[in-house]
Amino acid sequence: QVQLQESGPGLVKPSQTLSLTCTVSGGSISSGSYYWSWIRQPAGKGLEWIGRIYTSGTTKYNPSLKSRVTISVDTSKNQFSLKLSSVTAADTAVYYCARLERGYGLFDYWGQGTLVTVSS
Amino acid sequence: EIVLTQSPGTLSLSPGERATLSCRASQSVASSYLAWYQQKRGQTPRLLIYGASSRATGIPDRFSGSGSGTDFTLTITRLEPEDFAVYYCQQYGSSPTFGQGTKVEIK
Repeated sequence: QVQLQESGPGLVKPSQTLSLTCTVSGGSISSGSYYWSWIRQPAGKGLEWIGRIYTSGTTKYNPSLKSRVTISVDTSKNQFSLKLSSVTAADTAVYYCARLERGYGLFDYWGQGTLVTVSS
Repeated sequence: EIVLTQSPGTLSLSPGERATLSCRASQSVASSYLAWYQQKRGQTPRLLIYGASSRATGIPDRFSGSGSGTDFTLTITRLEPEDFAVYYCQQYGSSPTFGQGTKVEIK
């Protein structure tokens, strides 16, 4: 059973960089059948896809966030990471990591989510 | 970017009733790339339907999906108490996007 777990600071100051890591267990992040994604959800609102990375390191980002987002992968640790720069209060949300299955483009496994608050 | 618009925003129904949720895309979506998720309060989204009409593992057969092109539907034939939740559609085109959600609440 694949499991994903987000980790990182729950509080980030405005203008700083949000950094989160997702650790994958029960499966290899190097599997060619999947992308590894970040998704966020502000309180009481819907889901927003942030971006995804392939085991090779190839990335794709949401155009609305592209200028501020970097996703990287560490296959030796079975982890992938998110960096979001120049954060504002609008970036306060629950951040999920998720596995994106390439064949049908579905998110089949999700982390439990971590709340990141942007506040001074 | 493909925009998904879900309707209605809220559906008030009683247990045992039928729920019909709509998801309309701003441009054609390949049926293979349309999925539905259920999210209960405080929980992670759960995959219900993929490929527009295929149920994910362990999903009861009261859930069904249909549609093609720009119009897709999620139907719950007989609402159980555990089905009251928010439902999202999602497409996987050049970039994945989600609809804004439909809340199914107890009437």
